[in-house]
Amino acid sequence: DTGVSQDPRHKITKRGQNVTFRCDPISEHNRLYWYRQTLGQGPEFLTYFQNEAQLEKSRLLSDRFSAERPKGSFSTLEIQRTEQGDSAMYLCASSPPTQYAHEAFFGQGTRLTVV
Amino acid sequence: RKEVEQDPGPFNVPEGATVAFNCTYSNSASQSFFWYRQDCRKEPKLLMSVYSSGNEDGRFTAQLNRASQYISLLIRDSKLSDSATYLCVVNMPYSSASKIIFGSGTRLSIRP
Repeated sequence: DTGVSQDPRHKITKRGQNVTFRCDPISEHNRLYWYRQTLGQGPEFLTYFQNEAQLEKSRLLSDRFSAERPKGSFSTLEIQRTEQGDSAMYLCASSPPTQYAHEAFFGQGTRLTVV
Repeated sequence: RKEVEQDPGPFNVPEGATVAFNCTYSNSASQSFFWYRQDCRKEPKLLMSVYSSGNEDGRFTAQLNRASQYISLLIRDSKLSDSATYLCVVNMPYSSASKIIFGSGTRLSIRP
């Protein structure tokens, strides 16, 4: 499968624990996005990488959230000291290095439940 | 004001009906526009891109009105399988920290 892959697909954690999610984009894609989606809402932009550079970070991303893309390939999203409000679907998407905007391809997401 | 706004619906229409959704965006410099479809508990998938001249793909027609900053999606002869959430997507200009912004989605339910 050469699509965007995310791991794990599901994560249940206790409040206060740290969690880390991984995203492997489509190999030739240099742009990588993280979104968070709660029930009944569209995906909310969290952060964006172009190669290894994190170009933008949403105000939604508190200090407990950090994302990396160390070699411009896979990316990780870490949430420290999880809270119940962090429960959501975390979606990763990638898009190719075209001059003009191109569609984003999504992974199947990581569903986080904080208990 | 949200960067991308949609009517959340739900739209509940009979099979065979024509249904239309609108979406407005706030940044006049936005250059690329898309409609995505999302089924329950699945990831969003591209339905169609939206071009300035308008484009049609089978029963689906997308249009862009730059002057009024809105895009639309028209579905003709709706099928039961069209039931889903339709997400309006806008991409900021390439020269900035380009980001893809989603609307909150419009829920469509087609009844037999």
